[in-house]
Amino acid sequence: ETGVTQSPTHLIKTRGQQVTLRCSSQSGHNTVSWYQQALGQGPQFIFQYYREEENGRGNFPPRFSGLQFPNYSSELNVNALELDDSALYLCASSLNRAGSPLHFGNGTRLTVT
Amino acid sequence: DQQVKQNSPSLSVQEGRISILNCDYTNSMFDYFLWYKKYPAEGPTFLISISSIKDKNEDGRFTVFLNKSAKHLSLHIVPSQPGDSAVYFCAASGSTGNTDKLIFGTGTRLQVFP
Repeated sequence: ETGVTQSPTHLIKTRGQQVTLRCSSQSGHNTVSWYQQALGQGPQFIFQYYREEENGRGNFPPRFSGLQFPNYSSELNVNALELDDSALYLCASSLNRAGSPLHFGNGTRLTVT
Repeated sequence: DQQVKQNSPSLSVQEGRISILNCDYTNSMFDYFLWYKKYPAEGPTFLISISSIKDKNEDGRFTVFLNKSAKHLSLHIVPSQPGDSAVYFCAASGSTGNTDKLIFGTGTRLQVFP
């Protein structure tokens, strides 16, 4: 069983730039969620995708956008990067059914300078 | 406004003793609770969950207790082992069993020493 994989592991960007983070779901999982974890904080929900459609969104501005592909992999795009976007970005996949917990990848560490 | 609170940023326990990690929540709509463990440079790993219709769930060394009237849950680890040293996150969901957005606490760093 292949777990959730994220790429890249680390990334350094300049304020104002755009970034794309990628995630491959665990085998058999059809739902992908993205979380942002700032230093010293718990993960914060960005959005969730199910069947290639956004299925819930947290309190993040529109410059945070995503995609889910037919193979259930996903991308997180962030435009007009700000210094406060520096964080660990976690992708999680699940089965979108009762009792199915989220399975997280190891995250992408984004630093915005 | 922090809806899920873990008021102890750290906890140190001797190997073999019990570790008790606490979590409080404010939203009475939450009805599904989970605990995740996180090692450095890894993503959170699911440990154990509990539905609001129960007050206890046990899985091996790990037991989660839920007190709905107090809006409080706790994770007990018995006996604690050095490999349990990690950051533990409490999380809550507003929709029973569904993978709706999880609200996480800020975590408690557990250190188990020999």
